[in-house]
Amino acid sequence: EVQLVESGGGLVQPGRSLKLSCAASGFTFSNYGMHWIRQAPTKGLEWVASISPSGGSTYYRDSVKGRFTISRDNAKSTLYLQMDSLRSEDTATYYCATDGIRGPVDAWGQGASVTVSS
Amino acid sequence: DIQMTQSPSFLSASVGDRVTINCKASQNINKYLNWYQQKLGEAPKRLIYNTNNLQTGIPSRFSGSGSGTDYTLTISSLQPEDFATYFCLQHNSFPLTFGSGTKLEIK
Repeated sequence: EVQLVESGGGLVQPGRSLKLSCAASGFTFSNYGMHWIRQAPTKGLEWVASISPSGGSTYYRDSVKGRFTISRDNAKSTLYLQMDSLRSEDTATYYCATDGIRGPVDAWGQGASVTVSS
Repeated sequence: DIQMTQSPSFLSASVGDRVTINCKASQNINKYLNWYQQKLGEAPKRLIYNTNNLQTGIPSRFSGSGSGTDYTLTISSLQPEDFATYFCLQHNSFPLTFGSGTKLEIK
């Protein structure tokens, strides 16, 4: 069974940094693209970033380019999101999600809450 | 960027009803459209992938259709556990974009 467990969320001041992790199990992590998707309180879903299976290709939404970095460690089956220069509008629950045999954005983790506030 | 316009935003229906939710893309997305269900406090769950393919374990009362820019999720006979929020996602190109969601409520 696919399991994705996010960690590293919390309360952080504007301008500071935070690093999220997503531990994967139940599938061959290195075979699949991975994504970070966020959901602000009472709002809809917003794609943040994606990474290819090897980690060689990354993609970001414009509002986080230059501030966030997606990466992965295939030996540890772990996905990361380094978030720098955080803003109040980055406050959200951050989900990691994996592609699957049947296409992109298949299974999701339970989410990590990030609150950016002074 | 491809904009996804989802309608309706809210839908009130009764158990046993047939309901449809629509997503319209701002350009052709080549059937690269997924549907998700999200219940309060839970992560989204994929129901349909690539327009009309039912995810393993999802009841057959859920179905998807569409092509080009227009896509539909249909629930043929609503069950109590179906009252939730539904989102579409286009994965034809980056940035991936979601519809704004449809909250399905009990009438």
